[in-house]
Amino acid sequence: DAGVIQSPRHEVTEMGQEVTLRCKPISGHNSLFWYRQTMMRGLELLIYFNNNVPIDDSGMPEDRFSAKMPNASFSTLKIQPSEPRDSAVYFCASYPGQGIGELFFGEGSRLTVL
Amino acid sequence: AQSVTQLDSQVPVFEEAPVELRCNYSSSVSVYLFWYVQYPNQGLQLLLKYLSGSTLVKSINGFEAEFNKSQTSFHLRKPSVHISDTAEYFCAVSDTNAGKSTFGDGTTLTVKP
Repeated sequence: DAGVIQSPRHEVTEMGQEVTLRCKPISGHNSLFWYRQTMMRGLELLIYFNNNVPIDDSGMPEDRFSAKMPNASFSTLKIQPSEPRDSAVYFCASYPGQGIGELFFGEGSRLTVL
Repeated sequence: AQSVTQLDSQVPVFEEAPVELRCNYSSSVSVYLFWYVQYPNQGLQLLLKYLSGSTLVKSINGFEAEFNKSQTSFHLRKPSVHISDTAEYFCAVSDTNAGKSTFGDGTTLTVKP
């Protein structure tokens, strides 16, 4: 299995630009999570989906952030417009959805907003 | 609501020394506990987990953690560390909402020669 695949691995953009981060979960996993990691705030859960449906988006910072999961094999996290304080590493993680177990993380997308 | 406190943000140790990374949690329901490791420029990967049964759980590379319900702790230990153990370690707690986990702030373990 290829694991959770995220793209791009690195993104540098200017303030005000739109940013789209992508995630392909492990095949057969029913749940998908988006986390943000910063030095100041650690790992924060932004949103998670179960069977492609958003279940909890209470961690999404503000309306500039949106996430979609159009099918079981693809999700996007969009920031529009981006701001310097959005600079962070964004992780996608998938979960089998059955029983109790661990999350499977991608390698992350490092976003720098100038 | 759940919370996780990792008591040490940075732990420097010498190679072959023992190490303990401390983790305390709070939760109003039954919990499942995890330690994840993050190497530089990589995602988190599972190190070990406690779901039920024996309170002492072990990883394949020599780490172990003990679930202590009375003290609400899940400390991570290794009797002899290697340079390659240098990484950030995260403690996490999950309830029955499958998958949704709360993470601690992480402990950076630095193993010096």
